[in-house]
Amino acid sequence: GESVGLHLPTLSVQEGDNSIINCAYSNSASDYFIWYKQESGKGPQFIIDIRSNMDKRQGQRVTVLLNKTVKHLSLQIAATQPGDSAVYFCAENGGYSTLTFGKGTMLLVSP
Amino acid sequence: NAGVTQTPKFRILKIGQSMTLQCTQDMNHNYMYWYRQDPGMGLKLIYYSVGAGITDKGEVPNGYNVSRSTTEDFPLRLELAAPSQTSVYFCASSYGWATDSGNTIYFGEGSWLTVV
Repeated sequence: GESVGLHLPTLSVQEGDNSIINCAYSNSASDYFIWYKQESGKGPQFIIDIRSNMDKRQGQRVTVLLNKTVKHLSLQIAATQPGDSAVYFCAENGGYSTLTFGKGTMLLVSP
Repeated sequence: NAGVTQTPKFRILKIGQSMTLQCTQDMNHNYMYWYRQDPGMGLKLIYYSVGAGITDKGEVPNGYNVSRSTTEDFPLRLELAAPSQTSVYFCASSYGWATDSGNTIYFGEGSWLTVV
């Protein structure tokens, strides 16, 4: 079946560095993608989304890049802070009425 | 702002017991969802509701039941608990379909359930 996956289960960075979290998707029917942040012991929080008619979208300190040719999604976090330490999930709609979530990447930020 | 509120936060059940996870939202959202999250896995949809009185199965509905008598509440019932139902459960809501941009899903804090 189609699935959303992440390349790196854990990413360790230094405070102030830029972080890049990657996500591969396989459903070519997906036209909407979302990144979520999940802190320990809490529910996922929406970070940023992007539709398939765009290849880049920027938020506050975050940028999502979409490469439909290779079915790849990335989340870039500028000037990473210790408060950014969390698990990051990507999700896609897959052309269906519900979202398919990836397994998540743990981001660890060292002071 | 309360958002999506789930109770209980933690619960240990014995095999064969039943329980209800409560969920309420105060954002007047039409859509509500129950997900489960197993260690190292992505969220899996159990049930969802598009409005009061309407519910439908998600990806992993077996062993669960739901009801939606009001817009605010969407309880999840576990009948005859099994060890395979040990998981973290998240209730969520959105104004419209979460698969459409602009309809952000808001998640509760989660309920940790262990079946022994």
